[in-house]
Amino acid sequence: DSGVTQTPKHLITATGQRVTLRCSPRSGDLSVYWYQQSLDQGLQFLIQYYNGEERAKGNILERFSAQQFPDLHSELNLSSLELGDSALYFCASSVVDGSTDTQYFGPGTRLTVL
Amino acid sequence: GQQVMQIPQYQHVQEGEDFTTYCNSSTTLSNIQWYKQRPGGHPVFLIQLVKSGEVKKQKRLTFQFGEAKKNSSLHITATQTTDVGTYFCAGSLYNDYKLSFGAGTTVTVRA
Repeated sequence: DSGVTQTPKHLITATGQRVTLRCSPRSGDLSVYWYQQSLDQGLQFLIQYYNGEERAKGNILERFSAQQFPDLHSELNLSSLELGDSALYFCASSVVDGSTDTQYFGPGTRLTVL
Repeated sequence: GQQVMQIPQYQHVQEGEDFTTYCNSSTTLSNIQWYKQRPGGHPVFLIQLVKSGEVKKQKRLTFQFGEAKKNSSLHITATQTTDVGTYFCAGSLYNDYKLSFGAGTTVTVRA
């Protein structure tokens, strides 16, 4: 158990819909990262927040957005869902915001778009 | 953008044999990290290498960072069924916050 929690574990929805994925980082961690992992694909970095502010952006679609709240939990919002958005979405956290920080991954949310 | 390439994509190993997976970057990295993801699980941090030419060992696993800090390798000796999973390397540039993950090497073991 990494100490990072993600909800829900599974999510099934239809094309065109909007969903919100939630992540609670490890106690004391200030950074939250979001990754997308499609079938047989590596980890695609989406976005990072540090202490409530956006720190780095990866290949995140305009239909996706995220935020980190004052209590440091984070939400990833996916809208106008397409079939290709079906994937495993991981959240990770680290103590600070440096690239040398170890990232602790949550169990992931499996999103299925029908 | 920065890309970290990993080879091979798949590695089928006989139990007891050794194998190596490689990670390469076109640009100099500030550090490289290795993660392991078991089937159905999430990535778990294994190790971080920071210095040029650095070698670190964890039991049967040996990690190496190249002299030019553009490549890394993971060598596993006497492979066991517990080694099954996908191994990812992840590197970052200097003054860059984000890690770029390789596509991973998925390891299966024949008993």
